[in-house]
Amino acid sequence: KAGVTQTPRYLIKTRGQQVTLSCSPISGHRSVSWYQQTPGQGLQFLFEYFSETQRNKGNFPGRFSGRQFSNSRSEMNVSTLELGDSALYLCASRSNTQNTGELFFGEGSRLTVL
Amino acid sequence: QKEVEQDPGPLSVPEGAIVSLNCTYSNSAFQYFMWYRQYSRKGPELLMYTYSSGNKEDGRFTAQVDKSSKYISLFIRDSQPSDSATYLCAMSALDSSYKLIFGSGTRLLVRP
Repeated sequence: KAGVTQTPRYLIKTRGQQVTLSCSPISGHRSVSWYQQTPGQGLQFLFEYFSETQRNKGNFPGRFSGRQFSNSRSEMNVSTLELGDSALYLCASRSNTQNTGELFFGEGSRLTVL
Repeated sequence: QKEVEQDPGPLSVPEGAIVSLNCTYSNSAFQYFMWYRQYSRKGPELLMYTYSSGNKEDGRFTAQVDKSSKYISLFIRDSQPSDSATYLCAMSALDSSYKLIFGSGTRLLVRP
């Protein structure tokens, strides 16, 4: 069974630009969550989607947004990039039959903002 | 104060040692407890999952949860150099199980 796939794996942007990251969950998983990982703050919850609906959002500004498609694939977008947005962005999926915290992560998209 | 506290290490042990990794937490609503292993430049890999209190064993790994003390542990027996990684504890509440709260991670180095 293929795992969570994230693209692109690495990208470099400049301040003020925007970026879109993509995530394909494990086949059959309908819940997709996004996390930001930085050396200073660790892993922080961004948002979670289930059946194309955002169910919850973490403490991030409105520049961070996302969506989920009918095939459960998800994208997140960051607009007006700031230097502090440099981070590893991780996508995680969960089986819709579980009501547990077992999340399976992808390899992440490493964003560098110059 | 953070909801989940974890010693960042690094923790350096000789091959074959028993490793003990720990996290404390403050939110009594947490019911799901996980340990993830993260190698450099990789995503976190789920190692152990426990619901509520108790012990769980899987090969060389044992996870313990003590909800009365708000303390969780991961033990690694017969540690190997391939165990060298960052270990992250994570937990979530019943009504928001999709939202994991992570510890800062402990860097472990197992010396050959």
